[in-house]
Amino acid sequence: KNQVEQSPQSLIILEGKNCTLQCNYTVSPFSNLRWYKQDTGRGPVSLTIMTFSENTKSNGRYTATLDADTKQSSLHITASQLSDSASYICVVSAVNSGYALNFGKGTSLLVTP
Amino acid sequence: NAGVTQTPKFQVLKTGQSMTLQCAQDMNHEYMSWYRQDPGMGLRLIHYSVGAGITDQGEVPNGYNVSRSTTEDFPLRLLSAAPSQTSVYFCASSYSDRSQGSPLHFGNGTRLTVT
Repeated sequence: KNQVEQSPQSLIILEGKNCTLQCNYTVSPFSNLRWYKQDTGRGPVSLTIMTFSENTKSNGRYTATLDADTKQSSLHITASQLSDSASYICVVSAVNSGYALNFGKGTSLLVTP
Repeated sequence: NAGVTQTPKFQVLKTGQSMTLQCAQDMNHEYMSWYRQDPGMGLRLIHYSVGAGITDQGEVPNGYNVSRSTTEDFPLRLLSAAPSQTSVYFCASSYSDRSQGSPLHFGNGTRLTVT
């Protein structure tokens, strides 16, 4: 069964610090992995997408990495800001899976002053 | 360009009542979908559509109906609400070419409580 596991479940960090969120998956055959940010009371918004051939991709202070061999991805947030407080969701899709997506449960990040 | 608009934002129903959650997008996306988000669980697909007149079931379709008469609108109907349908519902749309990994564009959700 295709699964996506995210860790930690929740995280509290001080403003200005860095943090790394993890996503492990068993989805196969792998097509792509996308990270979404979901602010409280809002819908998820795409941050970045990783395909099989990509190892690293940045979007401002967000950097995603992918190791397709170990089926792991991470999202690194640099110099965190209060506005980074949100849930971060990892979504993995498989080749020839049609419109089916595999969602992780998310990591809840709280950035405190 | 409003993106994906969902109405209402909040709704309380009694068991057995019916209602329609509205979803509209102005990005000319072929693909539209409905998800529910429950505490401690990932988003789960209820129904989806790849174009006007075409709908299909997702992972958790029971108790819900959809129709797609236009490209813009994709309403979700609860036929006879049950407490198990208490959830936050998200509508999402994207271009239909999933091979390119088109991102989903989500609305801001409808929080439904069934008592």
